[in-house]
Amino acid sequence: EIVMTQSPATLSVSPGERATLSCRASQSVSSNLAWYQQKPGQAPRLLIYGASTRATGIPARFSGSGSGTEFTLTISSLQSKDFAVYYCQQYHDWWTFGHGTKVEIK
Amino acid sequence: QITLKESGPTLVKSTQTLTLTCSFSGFSLSTTGVGVGWIRQPPGKALEWLALIYSDDDKRYSPSLRSRLTITKDTSKNQVVLTMTNMDPVDTATYFCAQKGVSRNWFDPWGQGTLVTVSS
Repeated sequence: EIVMTQSPATLSVSPGERATLSCRASQSVSSNLAWYQQKPGQAPRLLIYGASTRATGIPARFSGSGSGTEFTLTISSLQSKDFAVYYCQQYHDWWTFGHGTKVEIK
Repeated sequence: QITLKESGPTLVKSTQTLTLTCSFSGFSLSTTGVGVGWIRQPPGKALEWLALIYSDDDKRYSPSLRSRLTITKDTSKNQVVLTMTNMDPVDTATYFCAQKGVSRNWFDPWGQGTLVTVSS
């Protein structure tokens, strides 16, 4: 099973600042990686697939990069609506999720 | 517009079998390459993929839970059913279903989820 490791567990950021979230795979997943945003009491929402392609309707302030085992989700200028938990997921070999990064208000 | 909705018991007892239904609209499970998956999330914890069924009735299960899971589909009713045997309090979680699209191996969209509590 491919293990996904996200860091940091919690990220404290002020509105308007940049947030950088990391995700590492235990073996190469090529570009078969997605990012999801989850707010309390809600289902996850797809942000990024193919490591760097924004899903329909996702603002340009969200960007993804990386391939192989190292991936990054960047939120260029945090808005109040962006404070949430973010999960990476590999779909190279079945499906596994990371444990999430909580982005909280500093 | 694609929508999915989970239904089933909110409370089950230890050792019982859980049966959950995912009812969906806006797509057909007879379309080649489409799938429906189940994912769960214990309170305050991370997401865990459980199972997925494809349009051709091919099935995939999480290796750690394979022995306890069965996934089936009723294409005419636009439903997917997940059964999990021998429930335990650690299985308390919100259970989500989600679509896997044609040539798309990620999950989008998701249902709202249903919370299942397992009592001892």
